[in-house]
Amino acid sequence: DGGITQSPKYLFRKEGQNVTLSCEQNLNHDAMYWYRQDPGQGLRLIYYSQIVNDFQKGDIAEGYSVSREKKESFPLTVTSAQKNPTAFYLCASSIKINTGELFFGEGSRLTVL
Amino acid sequence: DQQVKQNSPSLSVQEGRISILNCDYTNSMFDYFLWYKKYPAEGPTFLISISSIKDKNEDGRFTVFLNKSAKHLSLHIVPSQPGDSAVYFCAARFNAGGTSYGKLTFGQGTILTVHP
Repeated sequence: DGGITQSPKYLFRKEGQNVTLSCEQNLNHDAMYWYRQDPGQGLRLIYYSQIVNDFQKGDIAEGYSVSREKKESFPLTVTSAQKNPTAFYLCASSIKINTGELFFGEGSRLTVL
Repeated sequence: DQQVKQNSPSLSVQEGRISILNCDYTNSMFDYFLWYKKYPAEGPTFLISISSIKDKNEDGRFTVFLNKSAKHLSLHIVPSQPGDSAVYFCAARFNAGGTSYGKLTFGQGTILTVHP
């Protein structure tokens, strides 16, 4: 079954700690994305990647970092510099960067204690 | 600056009736519009899309209408079913031209509840 797998589903972190959210896809998609969802707000783009070893900042990249060492994997690190990290994080992929149609994972909920 | 707005946070409809979800946008450089459906604790799934050169696209019970002059799109679900109860997001793609990235901007979402 092809799809996107995010882990962990739930994560708790103390203030000042970095955490890394995993995102793996077996759809053979070139493009991958990280979005953040907050209550009452739409999805906001954090980072995206068009190809391996390349990625670009989205609208709210401050306090986050990513890597794209393999086509299948696009992990997101939430650093201690992110001032309000408690949110629902969604990873997505698409065949190419411009198609618009995204395939999403099930999300990871991060709570900072 | 919210370029894509869904002004109704929620909508309640009786089973079998029509559901109409609305979305307004401000940026005339958007060239492609999409609707996504999201169940709790799951990622959104693509539902239907429309190009800016069209004014209607239909897929089974789902129809999307685009009014470019009003910068407004709507999703019609007929007939509505209890399984349609979910959060619906509209999204718009910015036409950056050439091989540039076409970024999606999402609305805030509308919670649809279909009562049996």
